[in-house]
Amino acid sequence: KAGVTQTPRYLIKTRGQQVTLSCSPISGHRSVSWYQQTPGQGLQFLFEYFSETQRNKGNFPGRFSGRQFSNSRSEMNVSTLELGDSALYLCASSLFPRQGSGGELFFGEGSRLTVL
Amino acid sequence: QQQVKQSPQSLIVQKGGISIINCAYENTAFDYFPWYQQFPGKGPALLIAIRPDVSEKKEGRFTISFNKSAKQFSLHIMDSQPGDSATYFCAATLSGGYQKVTFGTGTKLQVIP
Repeated sequence: KAGVTQTPRYLIKTRGQQVTLSCSPISGHRSVSWYQQTPGQGLQFLFEYFSETQRNKGNFPGRFSGRQFSNSRSEMNVSTLELGDSALYLCASSLFPRQGSGGELFFGEGSRLTVL
Repeated sequence: QQQVKQSPQSLIVQKGGISIINCAYENTAFDYFPWYQQFPGKGPALLIAIRPDVSEKKEGRFTISFNKSAKQFSLHIMDSQPGDSATYFCAATLSGGYQKVTFGTGTKLQVIP
């Protein structure tokens, strides 16, 4: 069974540009969530999608947005990039509703964004 | 109230020793407490998890101890090995079925031979 796939793995942008990151969840997983990982802040929740609907959103500015397609694939977009947006962006998929132990998140390897 | 506080930030343990990482939370609505392990260049992966109605859970060399009254939980790695060197994140999930997970800030563990 293929894992969570994120593309691109690495990208470099300049301030003011925008970026779109893609995530393909594990087959059968309908919940997709996004996290920002930085050395100082750890893993910060961005948002979660299920059946093309955003169910939860973290405390990030409106420049961060996302969407989910009917095949459960998801994209996130960051507009007007700032230096502080440099981070590893992780996508995770999971089964829903939570079953058994409570809902394991399966993470991809992330997209590392560098903003210059 | 949504925070999960994790300590220490980094930890160096000799091979064969016990690694202990501690976490504390405030929100009593959290109902699921997983630990994730992350190796460099990889995404986090679930290591072990516990619910608040259980005080301890053991899986191989990994044990979670849970103190509901103190709102604290910890990960113990017995007989630590160099292959355990990774960053460990404690986490908590709210009841209600949504997959919003609150993570601790992580502990970088180094096990030296």
